[in-house]
Amino acid sequence: ETGVTQSPTHLIKTRGQQVTLRCSSQSGHNTVSWYQQALGQGPQFIFQYYREEENGRGNFPPRFSGLQFPNYSSELNVNALELDDSALYLCASSGRPGAGGPRETQYFGPGTRLLVL
Amino acid sequence: LAKTTQPISMDSYEGQEVNITCSHNNIATNDYITWYQQFPSQGPRFIIQGYKTKVTNEVASLFIPADRKSSTLSLPRVSLSDTAVYYCLVGLLSNDYKLSFGAGTTVTVRA
Repeated sequence: ETGVTQSPTHLIKTRGQQVTLRCSSQSGHNTVSWYQQALGQGPQFIFQYYREEENGRGNFPPRFSGLQFPNYSSELNVNALELDDSALYLCASSGRPGAGGPRETQYFGPGTRLLVL
Repeated sequence: LAKTTQPISMDSYEGQEVNITCSHNNIATNDYITWYQQFPSQGPRFIIQGYKTKVTNEVASLFIPADRKSSTLSLPRVSLSDTAVYYCLVGLLSNDYKLSFGAGTTVTVRA
């Protein structure tokens, strides 16, 4: 158990719909990163939030957006869902970005499995 | 961003040592090498990280040659529960929370 929780665990949506996924970070962590993992592939970085501001973004379109709240929990929103958005969505919490030191301080949650029909 | 190459899959038996080599020919001077483990339907879990030579912890060892163009993750005396996907990542320590993972190596341990 990493202390990072995500909800819901599973979700089914149809094309064109919108979805919101939630993540609660580990106690003491102020940075949350979101990843998309398609079946049989490694996690792909979507974006990172640090102190409620976006702090880096991967190669994902603007319909992928996020929020971080004062308690450092976070949401991932995806608009206009497409079939290819079907994947496991992972969030990971960590300490202050750029703090240096070993990378083991990034802890992943169990993920939300999204299926788009 | 240094590209990494790993074998797609490896098979082993309980009690054996498993060595997974990752190639990263374009590694930059300030890049670190980090390995993660992922079980089905779970998020990746940090295993080990290193910059050069050898690093050992209670789970694994990481061997990095002088030219740092490759690295080898060594899992001693594997058990069935070590069956998982193993990812090698290379990047700046200060920025590597934003790295995407490659396809990884699927290690299957048999009885």
